[in-house]
Amino acid sequence: NAGVTQTPKFQVLKTGQSMTLQCAQDMNHEYMSWYRQDPGMGLRLIHYSVGAGITDQGEVPNGYNVSRSTTEDFPLRLLSAAPSQTSVYFCASSPGTGNGNTIYFGEGSWLTVV
Amino acid sequence: GDSVTQMEGPVTLSEEAFLTINCTYTATGYPSLFWYVQYPGEGLQLLLKATKADDKGSNKGFEATYRKETTSFHLEKGSVQVSDSAVYFCALTSSGYSTLTFGKGTMLLVSP
Repeated sequence: NAGVTQTPKFQVLKTGQSMTLQCAQDMNHEYMSWYRQDPGMGLRLIHYSVGAGITDQGEVPNGYNVSRSTTEDFPLRLLSAAPSQTSVYFCASSPGTGNGNTIYFGEGSWLTVV
Repeated sequence: GDSVTQMEGPVTLSEEAFLTINCTYTATGYPSLFWYVQYPGEGLQLLLKATKADDKGSNKGFEATYRKETTSFHLEKGSVQVSDSAVYFCALTSSGYSTLTFGKGTMLLVSP
């Protein structure tokens, strides 16, 4: 089972460049989300989606765009990368409503902006 | 808003020692509580969860009990191994949208 798949795993960008972090899940999950992990900060929610065509902002959305055209895919776009976006990014998915649902994570994408 | 506070690390233990990592939370409504583990260079794996007060989650020798009266979800293991060395995150969901609020993580280092 593939689960939640993120690409690329590692990326180095120059300041001002744009890129897209890809996320795909094969579990037919309604909910998908993006987090960033920074030292001493834990994981913080960037954007999330409750279904195809529906997205919303999380705690730290500035500098990132998302879209959800299909149930399976939830790409995260950096329009103009900044050094402050150097981080580890995790995509996650969950089957549906309810606080007790297990949330599954991808293996992470390590991004460095120079 | 929701928040999770967990003890700062690193926590350094010898093999076979007893482990406690404290976690307390504030949340609206009735949250579900989780412990995730992150091994070096890897993603997050769910370790255990509890969805209502007095529930005990357990997995791989780790346990945590949902204590509503003290708003706590402390992680315990009776005898740690070197392979338990990792970062442990306490987290909660309360919105119904399956998004997590995380603590800052606690690094555990276990020496032989």
